[in-house]
Amino acid sequence: QVQVVQSGAEVKTPGASVKLSCKAYGYRFTSYTMHWVRQAPGQSLDWMGWVNVGDGNTKYSQKFQGRVTITRDTSGNTAYMELRSLKSEDTALYYCALCNGWSPFDYWGQGTMVTVSS
Amino acid sequence: DIVMTQSPDSLAVSLGERATISCRSGQSVLYSSDNKNYLAWYQQKPRQPPKLLIRWASTRESGVPDRFSGSGSGTDFTLTISSLQAEDVAVYYCQQYYSNPSFGGGTKVEIK
Repeated sequence: QVQVVQSGAEVKTPGASVKLSCKAYGYRFTSYTMHWVRQAPGQSLDWMGWVNVGDGNTKYSQKFQGRVTITRDTSGNTAYMELRSLKSEDTALYYCALCNGWSPFDYWGQGTMVTVSS
Repeated sequence: DIVMTQSPDSLAVSLGERATISCRSGQSVLYSSDNKNYLAWYQQKPRQPPKLLIRWASTRESGVPDRFSGSGSGTDFTLTISSLQAEDVAVYYCQQYYSNPSFGGGTKVEIK
């Protein structure tokens, strides 16, 4: 059974950075993409970018380009998303989601709440 | 980026009645080389992550009740719940994965 487990809630001040983690368990493929999607309170889903867990290749949404970095550890088990220069508008629930190849998001983490407030 | 537009924003349907949600993409998501529509539907209940219901516009995921169906091609798509049940109250999103993924604004389905 596949599980995607994310790190815990974060509270940050404006201008700070946050780094979230996401780990997949029980997934039989050695190479897959881990996407990051955020959802502001009461809003829709906003795709941020992905990392190929196998080779480390990344792609980012233009909206977040220059402010976000998605990485994975060398063992390939955990993906990370760092968002810099935080603003109050970045307050949201951040999800990671796993997919195999060019496909929809099969498995989602439970979400990590990030609150940006002075 | 492909803009996804859903309608309506919300709808209230009586138990056992049909619910229909529309989704339009800003450009075709039909890939000519494999003749597949790169369009998915998700269901999101409060305090839960989205759950994948349908891929390739009309292929139901394993375990998804057959009252859920997807149709359409190119730029216009529909999610239909043939007989609404209480457990179907949720927000539904369409997503294109033809290019960088993008989601519709969501449709909230409630009981009338």
